[in-house]
Amino acid sequence: GAGVSQSPRYKVAKRGQDVALRCDPISGHVSLFWYQQALGQGPEFLTYFQNEAQLDKSGLPSDRFFAERPEGSVSTLKIQRTQQEDSAVYLCASSVAAGTLNTEAFFGQGTRLTVV
Amino acid sequence: GDSVTQMEGPVTLSEEAFLTINCTYTATGYPSLFWYVQYPGEGLQLLLKATKADDKGSNKGFEATYRKETTSFHLEKGSVQVSDSAVYFCALSDGGGSNYKLTFGKGTLLTVNP
Repeated sequence: GAGVSQSPRYKVAKRGQDVALRCDPISGHVSLFWYQQALGQGPEFLTYFQNEAQLDKSGLPSDRFFAERPEGSVSTLKIQRTQQEDSAVYLCASSVAAGTLNTEAFFGQGTRLTVV
Repeated sequence: GDSVTQMEGPVTLSEEAFLTINCTYTATGYPSLFWYVQYPGEGLQLLLKATKADDKGSNKGFEATYRKETTSFHLEKGSVQVSDSAVYFCALSDGGGSNYKLTFGKGTLLTVNP
């Protein structure tokens, strides 16, 4: 596709439910990032993949959060037993280079998760 | 840790007015600095960047200069247009082993009225 695609765009989950958020990066992009953006805040780093390898997951807020990119393209961010504080916009970004921001990171439109 | 502080919004201007959005940062080492823009209904887009002290990033009439002495990267535009209405984010990536990771400010909403 022409850009980074995320689905669903909106997700409402009941507290305690598991959710899965999908990211389709730009074809051929080596690096993939997930960010969490709470209302009125800037995005905060969650995790980084270089191809299929998850090189940094230091930003994942708890062990309820899990991300994967098994074939080095599509990525899924899974949140187990959702809680109200998980309500946020989840952003995915990709870039053509590995491990550097000297090339541009392209962001998707995000998935807005609301936990009720 | 690294942090970015940017001007609180919202900012409302008339068309053709001068724009400044202040941004200061705290970082170890030598970060790269960025401005991202988010237009309504769209994803974040890179507006401009600077990778070393005294570099000036520019794009679409916007400019920002990397000032190491004041740890600042203020965004400016001489004459804003209605189409510039968006949320603007200042960000940095550190110069070390985590240079893939962006640290963002909270964002500044700009509204330009005709």
